[in-house]
Amino acid sequence: EDKVVQSPLSLVVHEGDTVTLNCSYEVTNFRSLLWYKQEKKAPTFLFMLTSSGIEKKSGRLSSILDKKELSSILNITATQTGDSAIYLCAVEVDAGNMLTFGGGTRLMVKP
Amino acid sequence: DGGITQSPKYLFRKEGQNVTLSCEQNLNHDAMYWYRQDPGQGLRLIYYSQIVNDFQKGDIAEGYSVSREKKESFPLTVTSAQKNPTAFYLCASSIDWGNEQFFGPGTRLTVL
Repeated sequence: EDKVVQSPLSLVVHEGDTVTLNCSYEVTNFRSLLWYKQEKKAPTFLFMLTSSGIEKKSGRLSSILDKKELSSILNITATQTGDSAIYLCAVEVDAGNMLTFGGGTRLMVKP
Repeated sequence: DGGITQSPKYLFRKEGQNVTLSCEQNLNHDAMYWYRQDPGQGLRLIYYSQIVNDFQKGDIAEGYSVSREKKESFPLTVTSAQKNPTAFYLCASSIDWGNEQFFGPGTRLTVL
């Protein structure tokens, strides 16, 4: 059975801190790993990672995949209160772009 | 065990047929959601329901219909009007609107 595990479960930081969120997976026929930010409505797509070792960046957010370690990290630098959300990791497998989600990391950024 | 179930995992239908995907939760959650995922894209919201007997269109509701007659059930019908129905469909629920969503295992629909 495909499995995706995220850590930590929750995190409280202060504005300006840097955070690192972890996602590890055990799946067959890995295709890609996706990061989402979940607030009120639909999760917002952040990154899709398919190749190991290539960092993707968007503003203060960055992410990298390590296929050898079967894991990915999501970094957020200079955190702001607007970064408070649940961050979801999902792995897409070859069998018809099925997604398996991790349990999420709840991030709270205090002023 | 509490959770969200979607069945079946894989579904095949002929073009022109309506098909209904099931989503059941025993978490006593008020809000339920349907998403669609296509290769290379993020999740897109089809419909959501904040409470039983109420539902709202999401971003891509055309060609889909839902009902919410029971709190624990939120079936999605993919109608023949949906131009590209082949996709992976995810159902989710949350204790109430705006809270953390829990996802089902998904259904892969292939229209031949």
